[in-house]
Parts: sequence; structure tokens; C-alpha cells
Amino acid sequence: RKEVEQDPGPFNVPEGATVAFNCTYSNSASQSFFWYRQDCRKEPKLLMSVYSSGNEDGRFTAQLNRASQYISLLIRDSKLSDSATYLCVVNRAGNQFYFGTGTSLTVIP
Amino acid sequence: ETGVTQSPTHLIKTRGQQVTLRCSSQSGHNTVSWYQQALGQGPQFIFQYYREEENGRGNFPPRFSGLQFPNYSSELNVNALELDDSALYLCASSTSLQETQYFGPGTRLLVL
Repeated sequence: RKEVEQDPGPFNVPEGATVAFNCTYSNSASQSFFWYRQDCRKEPKLLMSVYSSGNEDGRFTAQLNRASQYISLLIRDSKLSDSATYLCVVNRAGNQFYFGTGTSLTVIP
Repeated sequence: ETGVTQSPTHLIKTRGQQVTLRCSSQSGHNTVSWYQQALGQGPQFIFQYYREEENGRGNFPPRFSGLQFPNYSSELNVNALELDDSALYLCASSTSLQETQYFGPGTRLLVL
């Protein structure tokens, strides 16, 4: 079983829509969680960390459910510039990051 | 920009050859991790170096090896290249006190 599983999409949504991505992880010992964004042919960039209490950064909201080993990312009021691949990342002890395969988002005018 | 640099940006090799990729970490970062990202996949953890020692390794064969230097820059060496080694190789730097990793732009390796 993969460490991190994501729905690869693609998600094609109109501007202004709300879209949600989900991710599950297999190792209950995982300690920290992140969403990274990767534009085509570019390196991954940190979007936000994910905390058990949930956290919000502008139009982006991340949630973590440790009991279900589930992470989510909600994007409200989608912009064209949000088009990218969103990578769910789980960190076990020792700073070993495990990435999902990524979920592709295209925001359509 | 993250301040993490990698060289070269692109590389073409043939099967059986050896390759060395280089990474300069962000100022103040003492930890470097290397990842392989095949087309359409997420990055896969190769190994991590902390203060010049290997500090964890993913599921990659021994022909993938690395080094970290006193200035915390790092090299990834791959021997006996195979076609499946064609990928984007990413390095990421971080500090031992901070979990966030910052990625360099990557090296695109094509093995023919």
C-alpha cells in the first residue's frame, strides 16, 4: 500500500468555484502534514502546513483527521492562477517526506 | 525563490554511464534531501543528509549514493544508469529544527 494516496484528477473547475482535494496516508506514526503546489515543469512549493485544529490561509483551508488518517485541502473562489498540481505530503520521523502522486487542477475562465 | 540551486539543469546520458548532480542548500540550512520525480508521479524520497551523514534512505538501490560537504552542499551520484532513471531530480533543504523543506528547480536527467 502506498504511503500517501491522492485522487489524481484532473479537476476542471470554472473560475470562482470551490474545489476540495482529499488525501489518505497509511502510517499512523506520521507526524506532520503539508500541501505543496507544483506548476508544470517546476519544483514543488510549500502551500501550507496542515494541523489537527485545521488552518486557513486566505482562500485555502486545510484539515487533518488523524483518526481517519485523512487530509483535505479546500480552495474557495478559484482563480486561473490556482491551476497546478497539488501534492499531499506526509512526514515521518527523520524528516522523510512522502508525497502523493498529486491532484491536477485546471481553473477554466 | 528558495535560494536552493541545482546543477546542471538538464543532462542526457546513456545506459551504463554514471552521473553526478549537485545541490547548494539555502543559507542556514544544514539538511539536504534528494527526490526522484518520474513523469506523472509525485517525488520519491531517495535519501537525506544531515551534517555530512546519511540520515535516512528511501527504497533506492545502492547505485544511488550521495555526499554532503562541510558547507552543506550536496551531491547525488548514480552509477550504471538505467532507462528508468530518467526523471526530474529534486533536492530540498531544511534545518534540523524546522520541518519545512524548500526545493531547488531540479535537474532533468534523460537516459538513452
